[in-house]
Amino acid sequence: EPEVTQTPSHQVTQMGQEVILRCVPISNHLYFYWYRQILGQKVEFLVSFYNNEISEKSEIFDDQFSVERPDGSNFTLKIRSTKLEDSAMYFCASNRGGEAEAFFGQGTRLTVV
Amino acid sequence: QKEVEQDPGPLSVPEGAIVSLNCTYSNSAFQYFMWYRQYSRKGPELLMYTYSSGNKEDGRFTAQVDKSSKYISLFIRDSQPSDSATYLCAMSEPSGGSYIPTFGRGTSLIVHP
Repeated sequence: EPEVTQTPSHQVTQMGQEVILRCVPISNHLYFYWYRQILGQKVEFLVSFYNNEISEKSEIFDDQFSVERPDGSNFTLKIRSTKLEDSAMYFCASNRGGEAEAFFGQGTRLTVV
Repeated sequence: QKEVEQDPGPLSVPEGAIVSLNCTYSNSAFQYFMWYRQYSRKGPELLMYTYSSGNKEDGRFTAQVDKSSKYISLFIRDSQPSDSATYLCAMSEPSGGSYIPTFGRGTSLIVHP
C-alpha cells in the first residue's frame, strides 16, 4: 500500500542551525502538507502546498520556515535558524485534492539543543 | 473559543467494553469529519471519515456526526488491548481545492486485559 515516507526519523540540531526535513508524498497525490506536534499537544497545521506554491499557511509558519518541491518526488520543510521551541514531531501529509482524508507519514522528531 | 475540543483522557476500559470517544466543534463550515489513531511517536493513521451528519460503520468502529449539535463520536465495539492508542478527531472545510484537517488534541485510550 502506498505511503508517505519521511526522513530522517530523528534529527538533533543545535539552536541557530538550519534543518531540512524531507518527505516523499504518495505518488499520485497533488496536495502536500506539513504539520507539527509538540510533545503532549495537538497536531497543528503549518502549511499546504499545491502546484509548486503555498496554498495556505498558519500563523506558526513564519519567515523562519520554507517549503519546496525540488523534484518530482520530494517535498521539504526548511527551518532556517532553529529555536528550542521548534522541538517537535513534524508530520508530512498528502492527498489527491478534492477529498477530505489526508495520509500522514511517520514523522520526524526534531530535537533542538 | 478553540475550534475543535476533545477530552484528552486517559480513558481506561476493560477488554470487550464499548468505547465512546467524542469531539465538539465551533466552525459551521466544517464538512468532513475524520478519526485518526496515533500510537506513541508515530504518525496519525486514518481510521474513518464521514461527510455531513449520520453514521458510518466499519467493522468494530462506528463514526457518528451530528452537525446540528456540532458533535461527533467514534464508537469502538468489543475493544481490544491493541486498540490502546490516542484517537484524534479531525475536521476540514474546503480550502483552495482541498480540505485541510484541523485536529482535536486527542483522547488517550487504554484497554486493559
